[in-house]
Amino acid sequence: DAMVIQNPRYQVTQFGKPVTLSCSQTLNHNVMYWYQQKSSQAPKLLFHYYDKDFNNEADTPDNFQSRRPNTSFCFLDIRSPGLGDAAMYLCATSRDRGLTEAFFGQGTRLTVV
Amino acid sequence: GENVEQHPSTLSVQEGDSAVIKCTYSDSASNYFPWYKQELGKGPQLIIDIRSNVGEKKDQRIAVTLNKTAKHFSLHITETQPEDSAVYFCAAPLLDNNDMRFGAGTRLTVKP
Repeated sequence: DAMVIQNPRYQVTQFGKPVTLSCSQTLNHNVMYWYQQKSSQAPKLLFHYYDKDFNNEADTPDNFQSRRPNTSFCFLDIRSPGLGDAAMYLCATSRDRGLTEAFFGQGTRLTVV
Repeated sequence: GENVEQHPSTLSVQEGDSAVIKCTYSDSASNYFPWYKQELGKGPQLIIDIRSNVGEKKDQRIAVTLNKTAKHFSLHITETQPEDSAVYFCAAPLLDNNDMRFGAGTRLTVKP
């Protein structure tokens, strides 16, 4: 059974139109991460939540926001998607930060038209 | 911050041969080194990890070795099979906040 579930698997949005990607987990993990992965590149960390504490990466654009209303769910909001934001967005969880296994969802492939 | 370099970027082997992928890291205090396999259209999955208190760990056809002095760790896959074809990522944590940094990835192709 899937433990980290991302919806939708594929998302097409218009340039400049806000879009939200969702992630849920059944592992009861403390940490939830959002990564951006462009073609043939490594996943790039955007931000993560350690419980309710939000940790933003220094180079994450303001256009990207996140919400974690409870332990199980985390959302990625892109306020005004640009063509350069087209990518695979990966959600991951871990029991603790850094030193334990991260479990990834299947990803959401975002297309901006 | 942590810098993780991974080589080679692509690797093609014949079925049954071995494959080796290497990563170097910059932060000598790093102490956890996972390897992830990413198949097309899927999220990365952990295949093996090693902590700094051991030099080698093996799980069937997969092994990871760690050289803390040289600050590098390697993934070894023996008796490769076509289903091993995927992109492999190494990673190491940033010690200031424990966020994981990924290497650039290695695309492994196993030819039947």
